[in-house]
Amino acid sequence: EVQLVESGGGLVQPGGSLRLSCAASGFTFSTYWMSWVRQAPGKGLEWVANIKHEGSDKYYVDSVKGRFTISRDNAKNSLYLQMNSLRAEDTAVYYCARENSSPNAFDIWGQGTMVTVSS
Amino acid sequence: QSVLTQPPSASGTPGQRVTISCSGSSSNIGSDTVNWYQQLPGTAPELLIYSNNQRPSGVPDRFSGSKSGTSASLAISGLQSEDEADYYCAAWDDSLNGWVFGGGTKLTVL
Repeated sequence: EVQLVESGGGLVQPGGSLRLSCAASGFTFSTYWMSWVRQAPGKGLEWVANIKHEGSDKYYVDSVKGRFTISRDNAKNSLYLQMNSLRAEDTAVYYCARENSSPNAFDIWGQGTMVTVSS
Repeated sequence: QSVLTQPPSASGTPGQRVTISCSGSSSNIGSDTVNWYQQLPGTAPELLIYSNNQRPSGVPDRFSGSKSGTSASLAISGLQSEDEADYYCAAWDDSLNGWVFGGGTKLTVL
């Protein structure tokens, strides 16, 4: 079964750090771009970052540039999101999603992990 | 403020046809394909329509998509109670070098 399972969410103080993980199974992880997409409470979806198959290319939404780092370990079939200098507005459910190139779409989503930034 | 513009809400009665619009610009919808996602209450989003008008396996043909210029739309015919969900359009933006989503449309089946 094709599956993505996120972990690592929790409560963190403003200015703190957190590392999210996403474990992939049921497909050849190393052949897909992967993304993180977040959803603030009661709000819509916002793409956060993505990373190419081998990790050479990475893109970020402006609001997280310089604070968040996306990475992957293809040997472990895992995707990561290192989040530093966290702000209240980063509070959201964070989903990892597989980007299928044909078609160009997020075709598999994880169940999400909640990140709360609050003092 | 989302890059893609959707109406915040839509509604219809069972059996009706409803459409949801998605407006963008030349750097996103105007130059790339549009995808639609359905998010049922309390669950993760799922791919509903890809490449403007294609349905993944398992999606009923009651759902259809179209695109013209810098706008796209999702149509749901034969509305059913289980269609009550949030719907999001998305496209790659060549200027922002990132994916952009619409703000989402909450569909209510009356």
